[in-house]
Amino acid sequence: EVQIFQSGGGLIQPGGSLRLSCGGSGYTFRKISMNWVRQVPGKGLEWVAVISGHGRATEYADSVKGRFTASRDNSKNTVYLHMSSLRTDDTGVYYCVREEPQGHRYGMDVWGQGTTVTVSS
Amino acid sequence: DIQMTQSPSSVSASVGDRVTITCRASQYISTWLAWYQQKPGKPPKFLISAASSLQSGVPSRFRGSGSGTDFTLTITGLQPEDFATYYCQQGNSFPLTFGGGTRVEI
Repeated sequence: EVQIFQSGGGLIQPGGSLRLSCGGSGYTFRKISMNWVRQVPGKGLEWVAVISGHGRATEYADSVKGRFTASRDNSKNTVYLHMSSLRTDDTGVYYCVREEPQGHRYGMDVWGQGTTVTVSS
Repeated sequence: DIQMTQSPSSVSASVGDRVTITCRASQYISTWLAWYQQKPGKPPKFLISAASSLQSGVPSRFRGSGSGTDFTLTITGLQPEDFATYYCQQGNSFPLTFGGGTRVEI
């Protein structure tokens, strides 16, 4: 069974930094891209970033470009989202989501449980 | 960026009803559209890829259709467990974008 599990998150002051972690099991981790999607409680979904299976390619939403960095360590089956210069509007639940194995055009098939990031003074 | 517009934003329905949700893309996306279902306090669940391909384990009462810019998700014979919020998402190009969601409620 494919599983995605997340850790990290918490309360952080504006301007601060935080790192989220995400692990995958039940599949060949290094072969599949991983996305980050966030959601303000009670609101819709916002795609944040994607990192390719080998880790050499990334894409970001304009709202986080230059502040967030996705990385991965395939020897640990782990993906990271490094968040810096955090703003109050970065507050939300962050999901780590596996890209459908056929590629990004086919959607995102397995979602982590989500981790809450609260940016507040 | 490709904008995804869902309608309606909410719909009231009863068990056994047929519900149709529409999703419109601001530009041509072929069939690169996915649908998700989300229940309160849970992550979204992947329902449909490539506009009409039902994921394994998803009941056949869910049907996706459309291509180009206009898409629909139809639930035929609504069940109690179907009351949730549904999102469309385009996979044609980055940044990936979601519709605003449609809440299906009693």
